[in-house]
Amino acid sequence: DIQMTQSPSSLSASVGDRVTITCRASESISSYVNWYQQKPGKAPKLLIYAASSLQSGVPSRFSGSGSGTDFTLTISSLQPEDFATYYCQESYSSPRFGPGTKVDIK
Amino acid sequence: EVQLLESGGGLVRPGGSLRLSCAAAGFVRFDTYAMTWVRQAPGKGLEWVSSITDSGGRTYYPDSVKGRFTISRDNSQNTLYLQMHSLRAEDTAVYYCARSLRGATGYLDSWGQGALVTVSS
Repeated sequence: DIQMTQSPSSLSASVGDRVTITCRASESISSYVNWYQQKPGKAPKLLIYAASSLQSGVPSRFSGSGSGTDFTLTISSLQPEDFATYYCQESYSSPRFGPGTKVDIK
Repeated sequence: EVQLLESGGGLVRPGGSLRLSCAAAGFVRFDTYAMTWVRQAPGKGLEWVSSITDSGGRTYYPDSVKGRFTISRDNSQNTLYLQMHSLRAEDTAVYYCARSLRGATGYLDSWGQGALVTVSS
């Protein structure tokens, strides 16, 4: 089974900061990575699919990149509503998730 | 607008059974979409539980639930199911149904609000 890891597990940032979250797969998965945002008590929300495609309605400050085993989610200028937990997910063999990265206020 | 509404959650004793349902609305054609169940234990991350193809002909499970959980669907009723047997304390979680795009193991673009399952004596 493919294992997904994320780093960091948590980070503190300020409004306006550029934030980068990394996701690594245990083997090559081409561009089969997706990113989700989850706020407390809410269902996850799809942000990015196929490594770099922005889901409809998602602000353009969110972007994704990578292929093979290493992927990144970048928030270009952190907004108050972006404080949440972010998960990567592989869709190469099965929809397994990474452990998550919590972004909170510095 | 796509809407997914889970039901059937509740308190069940260890070793017991429970069936979750997920009613879909706002789909142009429910029977053209694969569907997935994902769960989240209290204070923990997301865990994939099961997926099913659009026709229901193929199903997928991780080892943690294989042989205990069964995913199914009734396309005439626009409804997805998750039958859970031999429940354990570690199955306690909020269970979400989600629509899968690009196949049963693809990405999840629409989610329900979740149903809480508590396994406890």
